[in-house]
Amino acid sequence: QSVLTQPPSASGTPGQRVTISCSGSSSNIGSNTVNWYQQLPGTAPKLLIYSNNQRPSGVPDRFSGSKSGTSASLAISGLQSEDEADYYCAAWDDSFWVFGGGTKLTVL
Amino acid sequence: QVQLQESGPGLVKPSGTLSLTCAVSGGSISSSNWWSWVRQPPGKGLEWIGEIYHSGSTNYNPSLKSRVTISVDKSKNQFSLKLSSVTAADTAVYYCASVLLGASGYYMDVWGKGTTVTVSS
Repeated sequence: QSVLTQPPSASGTPGQRVTISCSGSSSNIGSNTVNWYQQLPGTAPKLLIYSNNQRPSGVPDRFSGSKSGTSASLAISGLQSEDEADYYCAAWDDSFWVFGGGTKLTVL
Repeated sequence: QVQLQESGPGLVKPSGTLSLTCAVSGGSISSSNWWSWVRQPPGKGLEWIGEIYHSGSTNYNPSLKSRVTISVDKSKNQFSLKLSSVTAADTAVYYCASVLLGASGYYMDVWGKGTTVTVSS
């Protein structure tokens, strides 16, 4: 059971907009920033969004993040086949890092 | 940019100690980053193990704290993980990552490729 709650799966067709939610509590998302990671099959996680809504250099602006209270969301617009991956949210919780259980995104 | 490379035995016997090292290149381990270990059991999600600062300060996952030791070797620009009393449940891909402090929060910005550790007799 992960501390942060994500839907196990999400899907969309090419060109669509998809959102993935991440629910936490006052000790993690409610008090700290949220980061998102993309994990393509067989590879290491890659930083996708940091500090709630910041994109690292090289991440397309199709990816965006937001946070409200104890929940956060990742939005992917103009869905592409290469976006098919696992997505994880993460936040600091008092004195340790916590992750969501991950959401498997399927591009139909 | 910083690059990270994990290394260590791929097979550990039950009740033994898992030992891994993460070599840091392209930057100094004495920078303002923290240095983390994260693992991923087969077919499952990510689990944070712990982190260390170059001063030796550490933070550990409460669920693993009694079995984990993370240390830093500044002379070799690397940090290490030891996990004792391992069982099959510790079988996973182990990643090391750098933790950066940005303008408004910390985040794991660079990850190693990961190394697979299997616990089996």
